[in-house]
Amino acid sequence: DAKTTQPPSMDCAEGRAANLPCNHSTISGNEYVYWYRQIHSQGPQYIIHGLKNNETNEMASLIITEDRKSSTLILPHATLRDTAVYYCIVWYGDKLIFGTGTRLQVFP
Amino acid sequence: EAGVAQSPRYKIIEKRQSVAFWCNPISGHATLYWYQQILGQGPKLLIQFQNNGVVDDSQLPKDRFSAERLKGVDSTLKIQPAKLEDSAVYLCASSAGGAGPTDTQYFGPGTRLTVL
Repeated sequence: DAKTTQPPSMDCAEGRAANLPCNHSTISGNEYVYWYRQIHSQGPQYIIHGLKNNETNEMASLIITEDRKSSTLILPHATLRDTAVYYCIVWYGDKLIFGTGTRLQVFP
Repeated sequence: EAGVAQSPRYKIIEKRQSVAFWCNPISGHATLYWYQQILGQGPKLLIQFQNNGVVDDSQLPKDRFSAERLKGVDSTLKIQPAKLEDSAVYLCASSAGGAGPTDTQYFGPGTRLTVL
C-alpha cells in the first residue's frame, strides 16, 4: 500500500504557483520522497526527489517539513501543459509504490 | 538521449489469447521494470530486472505472466492466456544503477492492452 496521502484533485490558474501537498506521516529516517507526474496517455515523468533538505530543479521545488511528515511540490508558474496527475511517493524498501495521486487541472 | 521505447502502443485481443510486449531501455541502464496500470490507479510494479537477472517478481501473476531480459538489454513481457482483468496500460521503465532510492526511473509511453 502507498504510504502517502494526497488530495484527489486541485485547480490552478495559468501563471500562478501550484502547491501540491502530500502527507507521509509514517516515513522512516532513510526514506526519500519522490514526485512523478503523468500527463494523459504518457508514462510517468520524474520531477524531483529529496530526503531532508528542500530541493529545487528546473521543473519544480520540493519543500519537506522539518519533521519530514509532509511535503509540498511547488510549480512556480503553472502552464496548461502542467495539467497531469501528480504522484507523491515514499521510497519503500527497494521499489516505488504509487498511490492514486492528485489530478492537477491548470485553467486559462 | 533516446528514452525508453515500447511497442506496440496499443493492442486489442480476445480473452484466452496470448500477447507480448517489447521494451528497449535507455542505453546503458542496468535495471529494467515492468509496471501494470489499471485505469484510475497508479502503476503497480510487476517485475524488476537488474541486468538479465530477476530482482523482484513478487507481484507477477506467474500462472499467466512471464518476462525475460535476454543479454541484459531488451525485455519482453508475455501474457498467456489473457483475462478480461488484464486490460491495462503496461509500462516499462529503466534506471542506471541498482534500483536504490537515489536511482531515478525513466518510463516509456506504455502499451495499452484491451482484452475483449
